[in-house]
Amino acid sequence: DIQMTQSPSTLSASVGDRVTITCRASQNINNWLAWYQQKAGKAPKLLIYKASTLETGVASRFSGSGSETEFTLTISNLEPDDFATYYCQQYQTFTKTLGQGTKLEIK
Amino acid sequence: QVHLQESGPGLVKPSGTLSLTCTVSGGPIFSTYWWTWVRQAPGKGLEWIGEIYDSGTTNYNPSLKSRVTLSVDKSKNQFSLELNSVTAADSAVYYCVRSFGAFDSWGPGILVTVSS
Repeated sequence: DIQMTQSPSTLSASVGDRVTITCRASQNINNWLAWYQQKAGKAPKLLIYKASTLETGVASRFSGSGSETEFTLTISNLEPDDFATYYCQQYQTFTKTLGQGTKLEIK
Repeated sequence: QVHLQESGPGLVKPSGTLSLTCTVSGGPIFSTYWWTWVRQAPGKGLEWIGEIYDSGTTNYNPSLKSRVTLSVDKSKNQFSLELNSVTAADSAVYYCVRSFGAFDSWGPGILVTVSS
């Protein structure tokens, strides 16, 4: 199985900041990577797929980059609604795997 | 816009079988998507359980494969999850999801507790 490792596990930031979350795959996943946002008690929401394609309706302050085994999610100009937990997920293989999550907290 | 809704018992006894159904509305289940189950234990991360295509082709998480069965009923626009020999470790919120590889539409989730 492909292992997905996110860092950091927790991130503290302030409204207006720019933050970056990293996701590393244990092998090349050819940009078949998605990012999700999950708020407490709610289902996750797809933000980005194919490493850098913004899902319809998602704010442009979210962006994704990377290739092969290393990927980043960047959130610019943080808004109060952005404080949540973020997950990456690979879909290179039939067996899908997700990262352990990064909790973005208000500083 | 597609809508997914999980249904099933919220309480299952240890060693029993967890059975959930997902009803899809707003679009046919007979389409180019994988119909997927994801779970989340309390306070933990997301775990992919498996997926089924409308042809009946399935892929399962290797760690659960021996206990999981997915099925689809196109006439009812539903797909289902069965997980047998459950333990307390299977207590979680279970989500049904539409997937094209990435998971683009989610049900609200259903909490299932394994307890006697």
